[in-house]
Formats: sequence, C-alpha cells, structure tokens
Amino acid sequence: GAGVSQTPSNKVTEKGKYVELRCDPISGHTALYWYRQSLGQGPEFLIYFQGTGAADDSGLPNDRFFAVRPEGSVSTLKIQRTERGDSAVYLCASSSDRGTEAFFGQGTRLTVV
Amino acid sequence: KQEVTQIPAALSVPEGENLVLNCSFTDSAIYNLQWFRQDPGKGLTSLLLIQSSQREQTSGRLNASLDKSSGRSTLYIAASQPGDSATYLCAVWGGGSNYKLTFGKGTLLTVNP
Repeated sequence: GAGVSQTPSNKVTEKGKYVELRCDPISGHTALYWYRQSLGQGPEFLIYFQGTGAADDSGLPNDRFFAVRPEGSVSTLKIQRTERGDSAVYLCASSSDRGTEAFFGQGTRLTVV
Repeated sequence: KQEVTQIPAALSVPEGENLVLNCSFTDSAIYNLQWFRQDPGKGLTSLLLIQSSQREQTSGRLNASLDKSSGRSTLYIAASQPGDSATYLCAVWGGGSNYKLTFGKGTLLTVNP
C-alpha cells in the first residue's frame, strides 16, 4: 500500500478484556516496529520484526503483550487481560530494512475503561 | 542505554522567524538519526533521515545537522509558517545489534501568524 495502515483507529475496551491491534506495513518492507505513546511523551519501543521473526521484543512490558507477523507482512499486537494503564496510542512503523528510514501509521488509540 | 533529550520542550515564535530545535543523545554509536513531525492526534511524519556518515541533510526549508562524536543534532527551520506548528521528535537508530529507534520527548512548536 501507499503507507502504513493501522486498524482500528480507536478501540475502547473494558478492563480484563482481550484486544488485537493490526498493522499493514508498506509493501516490501521487511522491518516492522511497534511503539506505544502516552500523552506528552515520545514513542516507546515495544517490539521489532525482521521478516517473520521477532528480532527484539525487549520493550514488551510483560507477558500480557504478544505480537506476531506470520507471513512477514501484516502484524498483530495482542494484549490479554487489559488494564487501565495499557491506555495509550499504539504506533506501528515499517522500513525497507533494519536501520533505514522508518514510516509510521496513524496509530490506534486504545482506551481501557 | 540510549537516552535522547530535546531542548526546548516548547517554543513559540512569530511567523517568518528562523528557528533551531536541539537534540542530544548519550550513546554516539548510532546508525542514523531521524527527525519526525507529529500533529495533534496523528501519527508521525518522517522529515529527514541523516546517516551516521553524513553531517547534514536538507529538505526544502528544513536543514538537519549531525555531530555524532558530540552526540548532537539540530533541526533548522527557515522562514517559519503557521502550518509548521506541531511537535517535532528526534529519534536515533542504535548501533551494534540494536536496530530500534529511541525517541526524545519532542519540542512543541507554535508559529503565530
């Protein structure tokens, strides 16, 4: 596609529920990143995929967070047993290769009530 | 651990003024440095990527410089316009096996007509 696409743009869920956030990267980009941004802060790294494999998941806050990229294109970030502290904007980015110019999607605003 | 600092946190200028945004990082072993713009409630738009071997990069009214050895970058905006009002984020690509972007908290720029 022309750019990185994230769905949904907004998600409101109840505490304790399971959510999935989807990212469609730019076609042909092998590197895909997930970030989380809280109000007034810069984006914080969650996980990086090179192809299908998670090359670095050191930013995932705990085992309730998990991400997959089974075919090396679309990625899904999964959050189990959501907590109010998970509320943030979740951003996805892709780049043609690791360390090259990154392009971000519009983000998914997650609100846990 | 890489840390990125942006100064000032906020800046308000009259239209037409030239301005400089500052970024510093603690670990000089970086691949590249990237500047982004973020409008309220939106994702990140890539402005410029400076490779670690470069000293500066230009795009239109924007000029970014990089002094890797001192851990500093500046973003120069010439002849500012109200449409330039946004948050500007600096991010560095770590070196070695670290292929993630580390962000500063951003500078909120307001250009007054």
